[in-house]
Amino acid sequence: DVKVTQSSRYLVKRTGEKVFLECVQDMDHENMFWYRQDPGLGLRLIYFSYDVKMKEKGDIPEGYSVSREKKERFSLILESASTNQTSMYLCASSVPGPTVAFFGQGTRLTVV
Amino acid sequence: SQKIEQNSEALNIQEGKTATLTCNYTNYSPAYLQWYRQDPGRGPVFLLLIRENEKEKRKERLKVTFDTTLKQSLFHITASQPADSATYLCALSTGGGNKLTFGTGTQLKVEL
Repeated sequence: DVKVTQSSRYLVKRTGEKVFLECVQDMDHENMFWYRQDPGLGLRLIYFSYDVKMKEKGDIPEGYSVSREKKERFSLILESASTNQTSMYLCASSVPGPTVAFFGQGTRLTVV
Repeated sequence: SQKIEQNSEALNIQEGKTATLTCNYTNYSPAYLQWYRQDPGRGPVFLLLIRENEKEKRKERLKVTFDTTLKQSLFHITASQPADSATYLCALSTGGGNKLTFGTGTQLKVEL
């Protein structure tokens, strides 16, 4: 069974904290993605990576950075968390090209 | 600007009827289109992929059509069941096929 695992289901952090969201996939996929999902706005792409140490900005990268040191792991970093980053964060992976994306279970982050 | 539009209003139908969900897009020329299902608090799960040269695709009770002239995809669930209640998302490939851009989703509720 294919698996994308996000390190936390729920997180509560304080404004200004540095926050790490971790994602691990066991399918040897080249591509990994971070989305955030908000009511009425759908899933919006923050960053994606198509190889180790390679990354590209998505549609809403401001306030975020990413790290991909190993093929199976893709981390999303909130350098200084703000309340407008309260959201559901979803990690996904896929092979290159027109193919299926496999999602993790999501991390609901609340910044207070 | 590029847009992927799905009905924002929830769709309520009776058990046994056919549910039809719409996905319209502008300023994209996707090579393929995907549909995902998302249950509350969970990540999206892939259902169907249809390529631009395919008019229709079926999988069990699901059927997807793809009209590149109208820039529209229709997603049908026949003989709907309460277990089909969920949010359904369409997604287009962008960025050379490696990125998926999602619509906002349509919530379907199947009532007894």
